[in-house]
Amino acid sequence: AQSVTQPDIHITVSEGASLELRCNYSYGATPYLFWYVQSPGQGLQLLLKYFSGDTLVQGIKGFEAEFKRSQSSFNLRKPSVHWSDAAEYFCAVLRRGSGAGSYQLTFGKGTKLSVIP
Amino acid sequence: NAGVTQTPKFRILKIGQSMTLQCAQDMNHNYMYWYRQDPGMGLKLIYYSVGAGITDKGEVPNGYNVSRSTTEDFPLRLELAAPSQTSVYFCASSTSDRAYEQYFGPGTRLTVT
Repeated sequence: AQSVTQPDIHITVSEGASLELRCNYSYGATPYLFWYVQSPGQGLQLLLKYFSGDTLVQGIKGFEAEFKRSQSSFNLRKPSVHWSDAAEYFCAVLRRGSGAGSYQLTFGKGTKLSVIP
Repeated sequence: NAGVTQTPKFRILKIGQSMTLQCAQDMNHNYMYWYRQDPGMGLKLIYYSVGAGITDKGEVPNGYNVSRSTTEDFPLRLELAAPSQTSVYFCASSTSDRAYEQYFGPGTRLTVT
């Protein structure tokens, strides 16, 4: 079954430092992969997506992610973290649902990011 | 546009009580979803709907029911509340051709005691 694993439960970085959040996927074919962000007390918001083609994808808020098939990874990066980036980040994979024509997202367990001023 | 709205924001239930979590969207999205989020566990899909009158079970449907009589509304019903249903519940919606781009409501925090 398609799944994603986020090995880090909680990461703390200093403001201005670089960031990398890890995501590993399990999928037979080329997966459709996504990163979502959840600010405190809010719902989730799509950061970026990967379908095919260029393995480095750009998203909103200065984030990027790189798809590496050889490592089954889709890590999220940001060169310089801002205090407002403190949030929880979820990696997700799109899979076909049980109903005809339906697709569903399967989320990882999330990585909470804390930013030290 | 209000996007996806959920009511109530918070609720405390006693064991065995029932309640309905309301969800509405004004983006004319065909697809709607209910998730629950427990600490350290990510989001689990409870039920989803691909259009009015069509619903299907997700990963953790037991103890819940849904209906979809209109495109806009997708209420989630808890019939006999149990402590295991203490969670934060999120409703989301998407278009059919961009099911990966889901728009989430602000969530309902439910406590069952």
